[in-house]
Amino acid sequence: DAGVTQSPTHLIKTRGQQVTLRCSPKSGHDTVSWYQQALGQGPQFIFQYYEEEERQRGNFPDRFSGHQFPNYSSELNVNALLLGDSALYLCASSQKLAGGFFGPGTRLTVL
Amino acid sequence: TQLLEQSPQFLSIQEGENLTVYCNSSSVFSSLQWYRQEPGEGPVLLVTVVTGGEVKKLKRLTFQFGDARKDSSLHITAAQPGDTGLYLCAGALDFGNEKLTFGTGTRLTIIP
Repeated sequence: DAGVTQSPTHLIKTRGQQVTLRCSPKSGHDTVSWYQQALGQGPQFIFQYYEEEERQRGNFPDRFSGHQFPNYSSELNVNALLLGDSALYLCASSQKLAGGFFGPGTRLTVL
Repeated sequence: TQLLEQSPQFLSIQEGENLTVYCNSSSVFSSLQWYRQEPGEGPVLLVTVVTGGEVKKLKRLTFQFGDARKDSSLHITAAQPGDTGLYLCAGALDFGNEKLTFGTGTRLTIIP
């Protein structure tokens, strides 16, 4: 079992660009949540996907959007990147109960 | 608004000592998790507690959930250098709700 996988590992973009991050959940998990972790802080919840729909959303602007595919994998899209979007983006998968399994994250740097 | 406050924020102790990390909130959580995160990696789940007053032990780590389900503690006995890392508590407000609210973290360093 590969666990939760994320790609790419690192990414460098410039302000105003758009980015897509990808996540494959742990085998048997049907729910994917995305978190943003700024340097020195705990992760902040962005949104959660289940049955290909966004179930819950945190305090993030509409520039952050996502998608879940029939195989439960998920994408996080961020438009019009700002310097403040630089962070580690974490994907967590779970099935029903809380206590997600996290992927290694994608380190996004916006210049 | 930070729902979960962790203390201390930083802790550096000698190998073999004991330590306790605290996670406090004014909100009631249906469940609470503790994670450890190492640099460049995602958080790794250590334990989930769901019942007020619950105590769980994982080798040298003891986790307690407060009676009112508003706070939790992590106690490490005879700390080892391998315990070094960022410890995060995270709570779920509703049972079955997988949105986690994370604390600010405690960065623990064990000095050999």
